[in-house]
Amino acid sequence: AQTVTQSQPEMSVQEAETVTLSCTYDTSESDYYLFWYKQPPSRQMILVIRQEAYKQQNATENRFSVNFQKAAKSFSLKISDSQLGDAAMYFCASGEKTSYDKVIFGPGTSLSVIP
Amino acid sequence: DVKVTQSSRYLVKRTGEKVFLECVQDMDHENMFWYRQDPGLGLRLIYFSYDVKMKEKGDIPEGYSVSREKKERFSLILESASTNQTSMYLCASSLLSGRATDTQYFGPGTRLTVL
Repeated sequence: AQTVTQSQPEMSVQEAETVTLSCTYDTSESDYYLFWYKQPPSRQMILVIRQEAYKQQNATENRFSVNFQKAAKSFSLKISDSQLGDAAMYFCASGEKTSYDKVIFGPGTSLSVIP
Repeated sequence: DVKVTQSSRYLVKRTGEKVFLECVQDMDHENMFWYRQDPGLGLRLIYFSYDVKMKEKGDIPEGYSVSREKKERFSLILESASTNQTSMYLCASSLLSGRATDTQYFGPGTRLTVL
């Protein structure tokens, strides 16, 4: 069965600094996608970044990048030049191509940004 | 931009009441989902629908039912609300059915309290 683990319930970062959020997952499939979603306080959850397991190159979206270690089943999110607006819950998620519509979410990491 | 709306942001109901949560998306997405979000547990899938009148159970369907009579609308029904159903409920949609690898678009959530 798919599982997604986020071992850091809470983290904090100084404004303009860099922070890395950890995620590990388990799957028996070879074809899957990994996601990071962001849920700001009282606002809608949005996709931050998406990585296809077949792609060696780590996905990047502006200040957000991932470190995808397929053999270790690790998918960490790095936020560079942290801004106050980055404060949110961050959820790591996994979706297998053979699981049709089901995506598994981790428990989340609450990120605080200190001015 | 995809817009997913939910009928209420906050709802307070009494034990034993029948509760309806509605979700509407405006981008002709095939898939729609209902999740429950609890601290430390992340998002857990209650039900999803990949087409009109079609539904599949998620991980925690007990005590819930769903209805999808129109493509854009997906309702979650609590037949007889109980205090352990107090939670945040998130609706989401994604473009194509049968693909757990698509980005999901979320509504703002409904915080339900059952007294």
